Amino acid sequence: DQQVKQNSPSLSVQEGRISILNCDYTNSMFDYFLWYKKYPAEGPTFLISISSIKDKNEDGRFTVFLNKSAKHLSLHIVPSQPGDSAVYFCAAGNTGANSKLTFGKGITLSVRP
Amino acid sequence: KAGVTQTPRYLIKTRGQQVTLSCSPISGHRSVSWYQQTPGQGLQFLFEYFSETQRNKGNFPGRFSGRQFSNSRSEMNVSTLELGDSALYLCASSRAGISSPLHFGNGTRLTVT
Repeated sequence: DQQVKQNSPSLSVQEGRISILNCDYTNSMFDYFLWYKKYPAEGPTFLISISSIKDKNEDGRFTVFLNKSAKHLSLHIVPSQPGDSAVYFCAAGNTGANSKLTFGKGITLSVRP
Repeated sequence: KAGVTQTPRYLIKTRGQQVTLSCSPISGHRSVSWYQQTPGQGLQFLFEYFSETQRNKGNFPGRFSGRQFSNSRSEMNVSTLELGDSALYLCASSRAGISSPLHFGNGTRLTVT
């Protein structure tokens, strides 16, 4: 059972425009959500996180929105840059003891110059 | 500050053999997690160690095992290798588990022939 779903495998946007990456989850016990970015031949790097007590968190060009009732979160990148081209993973977990992070399958973002 | 170091970067093994992968976490990080990444499957959680104790385990067969040493370094072992074990194995460290962002190494690419 896939508890974190990234249904679109890829997204292509023009440089300077907004990129919106979506993620859905099924486990209502998740209370902590993160986005990671991964370049080829490198490990994922942490981008931004959000706790379930918030509905928005912003860090520079990156904003994550959380809709708990819909069990949906999204990552907005504005403006998109060619260097943003990478695989983006959504992850979720419960911050209680013995918890683990569950990752989605990833979305490949291509930003066209 | 040195990042998470994984060795070796690449491995080629034959079916039936066993393999040991190594991970050195960021200094001060006591939690080490292991993930398997295969095309189309995203990051699948293997296990997490905290202060030398396995705190959580994913849905992998018993052929996959790990341990953590007193200096927080961790090893992962896969016995009786199968072709399907070919993957990128990622190690991540954090201060306290998922409530603080994971920092990933660049992974070990294992190829089983």
